[in-house]
Amino acid sequence: SQQGEEDPQALSIQEGENATMNCSYKTSINNLQWYRQNSGRGLVHLILIRSNEREKHSGRLRVTLDTSKKSSSLLITASRAADTASYFCATPPQGGSEKLVFGKGMKLTVNP
Amino acid sequence: GAGVSQSPRYKVAKRGQDVALRCDPISGHVSLFWYQQALGQGPEFLTYFQNEAQLDKSGLPSDRFFAERPEGSVSTLKIQRTQQEDSAVYLCASSLGWTGDNEQFFGPGTRLTVL
Repeated sequence: SQQGEEDPQALSIQEGENATMNCSYKTSINNLQWYRQNSGRGLVHLILIRSNEREKHSGRLRVTLDTSKKSSSLLITASRAADTASYFCATPPQGGSEKLVFGKGMKLTVNP
Repeated sequence: GAGVSQSPRYKVAKRGQDVALRCDPISGHVSLFWYQQALGQGPEFLTYFQNEAQLDKSGLPSDRFFAERPEGSVSTLKIQRTQQEDSAVYLCASSLGWTGDNEQFFGPGTRLTVL
C-alpha cells in the first residue's frame, strides 16, 4: 500500500523555471522525506522535514509541510536538465517503524 | 565501502528457479531494508533488519520470499520458485538506525526478470 500520492504525476518545464510537486498522505506522520530517482544515480535522499517543522530549505530545494492538510510540497528553483528524474515522497508509518512508505512518484522533465 | 552495493545488477530467471540477491550495506549501518519496485511505481517495503534481527517482514508477498542478515552486515533476499509477477527491481537500503529520523541510503538495485 502506498501512503503518499504525488501531484502532478508528470511535469515538463524549461531549464531555469521552477518546479513544484505536491504530496498528500493519509495518516499522521513523524516526518516526511523526499527522494529523487534517475537512471544514473538510483534513489537518493533529498530532504527530511519533521512533523513540527513547516518549511525547510536545502540549496535549490524548498519543502513545506502542512500537517492539518496532510500535504507537503517540494519546490525546485532554477531547474537544470540534471534535475530530470522521478521524485517520491515517503513517510515512516505510525508506531515508530523505520520502514518508509513511498508514493507513486512524479516524473519531472527539464528541457535544456 | 562508499555506498550500498547490490549484486547481481541484473538477473534473468526461468519461472520456477530460485534466485538470491545480495546487499552490502554501508559499514556501520544498523538498519537494512529491502524494497520491491515495479515499473512506474514507487518502492514497496518488503522487510527490514536491525543488526541481525528481522524486525518486520510484513511486506514479503508470499512464503516464497525469505531474507536473512546472519551477521548483521550483508543481507540476502531469496526468492524460491520464481513467478513472472516477481519481475521487478529489488532495492536495498541501509541507515544508521536507532533514531526516528533516518535518511536511507539506497543501492542501485537488482533488476529481476522472470521468463
